[in-house]
Amino acid sequence: AQRVTQPEKLLSVFKGAPVELKCNYSYSGSPELFWYVQYSRQRLQLLLRHISRESIKGFTADLNKGETSFHLKKPFAQEEDSAMYYCALSGVVGGGNKLTFGTGTQLKVEL
Amino acid sequence: DTAVSQTPKYLVTQMGNDKSIKCEQNLGHDTMYWYKQDSKKFLKIMFSYNNKELIINETVPNRFSPKSPDKAHLNLHINSLELGDSAVYFCASSQAGNEQFFGPGTRLTVL
Repeated sequence: AQRVTQPEKLLSVFKGAPVELKCNYSYSGSPELFWYVQYSRQRLQLLLRHISRESIKGFTADLNKGETSFHLKKPFAQEEDSAMYYCALSGVVGGGNKLTFGTGTQLKVEL
Repeated sequence: DTAVSQTPKYLVTQMGNDKSIKCEQNLGHDTMYWYKQDSKKFLKIMFSYNNKELIINETVPNRFSPKSPDKAHLNLHINSLELGDSAVYFCASSQAGNEQFFGPGTRLTVL
């Protein structure tokens, strides 16, 4: 079974402060992990995926297989980062790819 | 615009009614999905279709019936609507196991 855990429902930080959104996963195979972002009343959009190892909008995430984690980090939070962030794991299920989402973390960046 | 589109955007209806939500993608993807996002923002996969064939069915009540007339369309029909069906329903598409692109969502309210 594949599972994604995001322990924080809400994370509130001040503008300019560092941000870390936690994500832990459970999967027996080789995981493919993603971070999706949902701005207020908008569609989900991909923020980044671990295999591309990119930095998008200043965010980075490193896959740590030893700790089964894929935490999302940004050194200096901006007001426009306020959104709902979902960690997701893609695994093969029944011949298809299944994306399992964590419960999401609402990030609120305050002035 | 190349994208995933859903209609309607909002749907308000009475308990017991039957309703449909339509989804279309013009990205040329071979896999389409339906997700349910509940009031707590939990996001869970319901169905996945690959080339018009059902490949994932996540213990969804059989009142929910997806239909894929072709690769570009995946519609969701719901019979005998219940209060607990109130949620935002997102359609998504991907090419094989790659990044999933989401539609804008359909906010269903059952009264």
